[in-house]
Amino acid sequence: DTGVSQNPRHKITKRGQNVTFRCDPISEHNRLYWYRQTLGQGPEFLTYFQNEAQLEKSRLLSDRFSAERPKGSFSTLEIQRTEQGDSAMYLCASSLGTGQETQYFGPGTRLLVL
Amino acid sequence: GQNIDQPTEMTATEGAIVQINCTYQTSGFNGLFWYQQHAGEAPTFLSYNVLDGLEEKGRFSSFLSRSKGYSYLLLKELQMKDSASYLCAGAGGSYIPTFGRGTSLIVHP
Repeated sequence: DTGVSQNPRHKITKRGQNVTFRCDPISEHNRLYWYRQTLGQGPEFLTYFQNEAQLEKSRLLSDRFSAERPKGSFSTLEIQRTEQGDSAMYLCASSLGTGQETQYFGPGTRLLVL
Repeated sequence: GQNIDQPTEMTATEGAIVQINCTYQTSGFNGLFWYQQHAGEAPTFLSYNVLDGLEEKGRFSSFLSRSKGYSYLLLKELQMKDSASYLCAGAGGSYIPTFGRGTSLIVHP
């Protein structure tokens, strides 16, 4: 299967702990996106990368959130000092990066902060 | 930025046709996407429209009117497996989609 993969699929943590999620995009895709989705809402854009460069960050992305894509392949999203409001599904998507940007989503990481 | 509006919920009968509408307000419009999302799963791509008109793909069709800021997704010959959330998303200047809240479609026998 050469689709987008995410790990872990589920994460339960206590408030104040740090968590890190990983996304492996489709191999030939240059763009990689992170979204957050809560129940009854559509995905909310967090940030995206063109190769290893982080080109845009949403105002939703507080200073507790950081994302990296060091070699232009996989990406990590870290949340420091988690809060209960961080509980959500974190979705990763990738696209070719050549214009019309159909995004292919991974299965997501569901985070629960207790 | 983008502002996307679509109905929260719709119901329809198996075998019927349903039209899900979406209106958008945008700066730097670069196309409109429709995604399907089953409960607990990731969104999957259905269609992309950047020019006015209707695009047909099997049982699903998508329509765009740029002058009216309006799109719809048409689902024909509904099947029970079509019960899902349908997400309308407008792409801005950097082609990053802004998603609406989604329309939850319930197909009943």
